[in-house]
Formats: sequence, structure tokens, C-alpha cells
Amino acid sequence: QVHLVESGGGVVQPGGSLRLSCAASGFPFRNHAMHWVRQAPGKGLERVASILYDGSNKYYPDSVKGRFSISRDNSKNTLYLQMNSLRAEDTAVYYCAKDEGRTADYYYYMDVWGKGTTVTVSS
Amino acid sequence: EIVLTQSPGTLSLSPGERATLSCRASQSVSSSYLAWYQQKPGQAPRLLMYGASSRATGIPDRFSGSGSGTDFTLTISRLEPEDFVVYYCQQYGSSPLTFGGGTKVEIK
Repeated sequence: QVHLVESGGGVVQPGGSLRLSCAASGFPFRNHAMHWVRQAPGKGLERVASILYDGSNKYYPDSVKGRFSISRDNSKNTLYLQMNSLRAEDTAVYYCAKDEGRTADYYYYMDVWGKGTTVTVSS
Repeated sequence: EIVLTQSPGTLSLSPGERATLSCRASQSVSSSYLAWYQQKPGQAPRLLMYGASSRATGIPDRFSGSGSGTDFTLTISRLEPEDFVVYYCQQYGSSPLTFGGGTKVEIK
């Protein structure tokens, strides 16, 4: 059974940092691109970071570029999101999602999602 | 960047009725690389459709997808009570991936 479990969320002051983790199981993690997608309260979905299966490519939208960093440890089947210089507008549920593509140099769609971890940025 | 516009924002229907959700792209989505997700309150999104018209594993056949180019549609043939939730489209034909703003299907 494919499983993604996020952790590391919490309450942090503006300007602070957090590191999210996503433990993957039930599929060949090293063969799939991965994504972090967030959802602010009452809002839609926003992809905030993606990484190809081998880490050779990473994507960030302008809203987080230079502040967030995605990484993966294929030996531990774990995805990470380092979030620095956090702002109030970063408050959201952060989901880890598996990309359907296998050993692809391209991002496809997200076929499995974790339950999410909540990040609240507030003083 | 391809902008996806979903309409209507809210769709008010009764159980048993047919729902038609639209996702319009600002540019042509190559290879019909369009996916649909369903999100229930307090839950993560779930993949419904990919490639515009292929159902994901375990998705009931009352859900169907169609379209190409810039116009895509998700149809729910007969609404069940659990279908009254939010739906998102996402294109993966061009970088960067983008999501639509969502359509909420509510009980009339």
C-alpha cells in the first residue's frame, strides 16, 4: 500500500524556519518525482516545490523561490522541505505528493497524496 | 505559464442530477495532459482523472472526463451524496504545472 506521511509542521514566528519531512512507503521512491503542495485556509492548491526522481531538477514558484528548498534522501525514502524566512502568507496545510511518472525527466500529475501537515506563521 | 480557469465557482445541484464542470486553459494543453482531483473537507486531494479522460484506480464510472486543446470537462453522471465536494483541474502539458481555482459542488 502506497503511503506518504508528512511531519514537521507547527507554529513559527515570522522570519522563522521549519523543516518538513515526508516518509514514503509502498512504492519505489527513488523512481518517482515528488512534490510539495500547499493549501492556505479556505483557498485552492498551490505547488510550492518539486524534485525529479534523482534530484537533478527542482522547481519553485516565485512565491517561495530563495526561501524554500526541496531535497530527498532516496536511501531513506524521505522527502524534505526546508522553509526559511517564513511569512504569514505561508500559513497553510502542506501536502507531500507522489508524481505518477517513473524515472522521468518531466513532472506529470500527482497520483498519491499524504494527509498533510499544518504550518502556522504567527507572532 | 498556463492559467486554468474553472467554472462555475459553485455548482448547486440535487442528488441524482448530472454535473458538468469546466476547466479552460489560457493556452493549448499539449497531449491532453490534464488531471482532475476531488477534495473532501478536511482531507487531501484525491486523483480522479488523468490524460483528460482516463479514470484513476478505484474511481466510479459515473465520473468521466473529456476535452482537448483549451477546453476540458469533468462530468458526474448521477450525483451521489459524497460527490458534493470541491474539484480541481491541473495541467501537466507545459512547465510549470498549474492548478485551476476549483469548483465546489453543493447540494441545492
